[in-house]
Amino acid sequence: DAKTTQPPSMDCAEGRAANLPCNHSTISGNEYVYWYRQIHSQGPQYIIHGLKNNETNEMASLIITEDRKSSTLILPHATLRDTAVYYCIVTANTGNQFYFGTGTSLTVIP
Amino acid sequence: DSGVTQTPKHLITATGQRVTLRCSPRSGDLSVYWYQQSLDQGLQFLIQYYNGEERAKGNILERFSAQQFPDLHSELNLSSLELGDSALYFCASSLGGGQDLEQFFGPGTRLTVL
Repeated sequence: DAKTTQPPSMDCAEGRAANLPCNHSTISGNEYVYWYRQIHSQGPQYIIHGLKNNETNEMASLIITEDRKSSTLILPHATLRDTAVYYCIVTANTGNQFYFGTGTSLTVIP
Repeated sequence: DSGVTQTPKHLITATGQRVTLRCSPRSGDLSVYWYQQSLDQGLQFLIQYYNGEERAKGNILERFSAQQFPDLHSELNLSSLELGDSALYFCASSLGGGQDLEQFFGPGTRLTVL
């Protein structure tokens, strides 16, 4: 069962920051937030994950609110290759199997 | 390239048949996960194995079964196939079973049941 809510689609201008929101209001204290993306029908690609603190890597930044009920994935300088479906996932309380929601289809516009 | 390999890439078969999908995890990864992605259901977790043992079950039908072998590769067996089983099947692997470990997905097997 998906435990996250994301907007179905978003557009972003090339070179601008893409901010993808995710609501996970029922998240438990030990559940992680993961972000993956899927380009066409390829295998999902790991982007970033976090528990409480904000995280940054070479691909993106993850901002988690203090109450942990929502998060935002930030792609700092979107390129056309970032066009994909982005999934926000909260791990299961009993293990780390992923429950994917419907994701956000991000289109980067030239 | 995630390091996870899946074979075959495409599979076309008929209703009532049985097929086996194979997955080789990344070197050193002990956990293997299977997911199904169909048009109407999205990406769904099926089952997880950790070092040869079943760890968690999701929305896996009774007609489906899986196992992880001593060399850590895994197979997903689908039997009595129905039209609705047509989907992309992804395998993922992670180092262990902890929640703080990312999963690396393979390229998938596209199954078409005619």
